[in-house]
Amino acid sequence: DAMVIQNPRYQVTQFGKPVTLSCSQTLNHNVMYWYQQKSSQAPKLLFHYYDKDFNNEADTPDNFQSRRPNTSFCFLDIRSPGLGDAAMYLCATSTPRAEQFFGPGTRLTVL
Amino acid sequence: DQQVKQNSPSLSVQEGRISILNCDYTNSMFDYFLWYKKYPAEGPTFLISISSIKDKNEDGRFTVFLNKSAKHLSLHIVPSQPGDSAVYFCAASVDSNYQLIWGAGTKLIIKP
Repeated sequence: DAMVIQNPRYQVTQFGKPVTLSCSQTLNHNVMYWYQQKSSQAPKLLFHYYDKDFNNEADTPDNFQSRRPNTSFCFLDIRSPGLGDAAMYLCATSTPRAEQFFGPGTRLTVL
Repeated sequence: DQQVKQNSPSLSVQEGRISILNCDYTNSMFDYFLWYKKYPAEGPTFLISISSIKDKNEDGRFTVFLNKSAKHLSLHIVPSQPGDSAVYFCAASVDSNYQLIWGAGTKLIIKP
């Protein structure tokens, strides 16, 4: 059974055209994360939520925004994607012991 | 400043032998350590973890060892199987902080 679901799995957008990635979870975890991962580098944390408390990493570009309307859903909005934003975007949830469960990721291509 | 370091970008091991993946950290406040496995085009999968109050945790073929004095942990996979070929990430956290600090990953290749 899927626990962290991301849609779509593959997203193609044009340079500068806004795009929204979605994530849902069935684990009822309070904490949710958005990561960006390029090649086989370590995932780079963009945001995390503890319930509705939003935490933005200091080096996350303003181009990236996030919404969490309820416990189950979280969205990543990229307002004006650049070529450098092409990456795998990973959503994760966390147990209280920081064991993070990842979704399959959305591969973003920017043309 | 990298707080979690995986100094080997890749490791090649014969099928059936032991794979040992290493991780070093600098922050003595870390008290929980995790290993993740990642296949291409998939999200990382949690593998095994260890609390700083322990020095060993075992789960099937996977064992994690923690040496706090050396600020070093290792993941042992015995015996190694072709399906173990993946990138392995070490991560660490400080209790009550939900953020993980990640290493750069080690690509493990299991040769038949």
